[in-house]
Amino acid sequence: DIHMTQSPSTLSASVGDRVTITCRASQSISSWLAWYQQIPGKAPKLLIYKTSTLESGVPSRFSGSGSGTEFTLTISSLQPDDFATYYCQQYNSYSQYTFGQGTKLEIK
Amino acid sequence: EVQLVESGGGLVKPGGSLRLSCAASGFTFRNAWMSWVRQAPGKGLEWVGRIKSKTDGGTSDYAAPVKGRFTISRDDSINTVYLQMTGLKTEDTAVYYCCTTGVTGTEFNYWGQGTLVTASS
Repeated sequence: DIHMTQSPSTLSASVGDRVTITCRASQSISSWLAWYQQIPGKAPKLLIYKTSTLESGVPSRFSGSGSGTEFTLTISSLQPDDFATYYCQQYNSYSQYTFGQGTKLEIK
Repeated sequence: EVQLVESGGGLVKPGGSLRLSCAASGFTFRNAWMSWVRQAPGKGLEWVGRIKSKTDGGTSDYAAPVKGRFTISRDDSINTVYLQMTGLKTEDTAVYYCCTTGVTGTEFNYWGQGTLVTASS
């Protein structure tokens, strides 16, 4: 099984900051990596898929990059609505999907 | 507008069974791959399983913790996907979300609001 590890688990930042969340896979997952945002009490929202493709309607301050086993989500200038929990998710050739454990982005 | 509405959650004793439903609208359901993702209280997201469209074979895949106990099925005539859960364990307690998979088949682009399943004596 492929295991996904996000870092950090918690991140404190201020409005306007640039932040980066890292997701590492236990083995290469090609480019099938997605990122989600979840606000407490709500369903997750897809932000980015296939490593770097922005989902329709998602602000351009969100971007994704990476390959192989290391991937990043970057928010270029934090807005108040961005304080939430973020999850990465991979898909592999064995038709299995796995999520990272999540990164909680808090207001400093 | 895409809508996914889950139902059927509730309290069930360990060892019991429950069937969740997800009614879909706003897209061509018969062409969609549908998944279930769960989230235990205060925990992260966990993929449960996925069913492909009938045109893509209609097959299902499951996560290891539920394989052999959970079954996903679909009724394209009423735009509904089901999650049949048997042999429920306390660790199956979670909010269960119904999702569509996106254009690449590797991400979840639309989510329902979730339904809570509690397995407890």
